[in-house]
This record gives sequence, C-alpha cells and structure tokens, in this order.
Amino acid sequence: AQSVTQPDIHITVSEGASLELRCNYSYGATPYLFWYVQSPGQGLQLLLKYFSGDTLVQGIKGFEAEFKRSQSSFNLRKPSVHWSDAAEYFCAVGPQGGSEKLVFGKGTKLTVNP
Amino acid sequence: DTGVSQNPRHKITKRGQNVTFRCDPISEHNRLYWYRQTLGQGPEFLTYFQNEAQLEKSRLLSDRFSAERPKGSFSTLEIQRTEQGDSAMYLCASSPGQAWGYTFGSGTRLTVV
Repeated sequence: AQSVTQPDIHITVSEGASLELRCNYSYGATPYLFWYVQSPGQGLQLLLKYFSGDTLVQGIKGFEAEFKRSQSSFNLRKPSVHWSDAAEYFCAVGPQGGSEKLVFGKGTKLTVNP
Repeated sequence: DTGVSQNPRHKITKRGQNVTFRCDPISEHNRLYWYRQTLGQGPEFLTYFQNEAQLEKSRLLSDRFSAERPKGSFSTLEIQRTEQGDSAMYLCASSPGQAWGYTFGSGTRLTVV
C-alpha cells in the first residue's frame, strides 16, 4: 500500500535561511509525487509535482523538489525563506493501480522567525 | 474567480442532525474528489467522481455518508445522523486528469456538538 512519511512535524527557520522539508514514500511503481501548501483555515495549493523526466522540479513561490528513487524521497527546498512561507506543507503520492486517490503525509508545519 | 468553491465555509450542528455540503469545481474539470482532514493530519480520501459517475469510495465513507454529482458539475456530500467524530474539515478538489494534481477548495469546517 502507498504511504507517505514526513518525519518533521514542526520546523522553525529564520527569514532568509534555506529550507528543506523531508518526504519519504512507499509506492509500488513509478510514483506521481506532489507537494502542497496549506495556510491556516484554507484549502491546499499545489506547489509542484513530479511524474517523470528531470528529477529536479521547479514549482511556484521559488520552491523546488528533488526525486531520489534510491532513497524513496522527494524533499522540498527553498534557498531563502520569506515570512509569508509560514504554513503547513504536505507531501502526497499517487494515484496507483486504478485508484484515483492521493495519499498525503501528516504534514510539516513551518514557522518563520523574523 | 474560477477556482473550486465550497459552501458553507463553516457548519455547526448538533449530534444526530443531517448536514449537506456543496462543491462547485472548476468548470472544465471532469474529476472531482472529496477528502476529510482532521486536526494534525493530512487529507484522507473519501470519494471520487469522473463526470457524474462515482468511481471510487473509501472505507472511511460509512453508510451515513453519501455523495452525488448529478449532472457532472457540482457535487454534494451529505452526512446523516452526525457524530462528534465527524468533526473535521471537508475538502473538495477537482482535476482535469491524473497527472495534473488537484485544485482544492477552501473547505467546509464541520463542528458537531
């Protein structure tokens, strides 16, 4: 069965510092991988996605993620964090095997200190 | 605004009452999804429509839950005989295809008292 692990529940960084959010997945084939961001009380916004090709994908708001098949990872990065990046970030995998569903991790809450 | 619209934004109901939520997807998206998100968790899949056909349902969708998408456009999610454990954010999303990812609405926050 598909699963997604986001090992860090909460991360705090200073504004201007670099950021890396970790995501590990379990999946039976070549996955579709996604990162979403959620501001408090809001729905989720797609940051970026990977399904084939170049393993380094660029997204919106200056984010990028790298797919590493050997490590079953899809970590999200940003070189310089802005205060407006404070939010919760979710990694997701799927769909697979005729199912349309995405499986989400439990999320990582990002706090940005001034 | 051509995003995914969900109504109401908030719903407080007494245990045992029925509630219905509405989702209006992006008009050209034929795929529509419902997810549930509880505090501290990621969204969990409930059900999926392609046009008006409900093609997939999660085991989370008990017999108290029913979803419809009668004309392949908007969708409704009804919960009958609500329980406190139904308190959650109910998220609707739409997509033009598997590889595109979802566009989510802002959700309906349900509180059962």
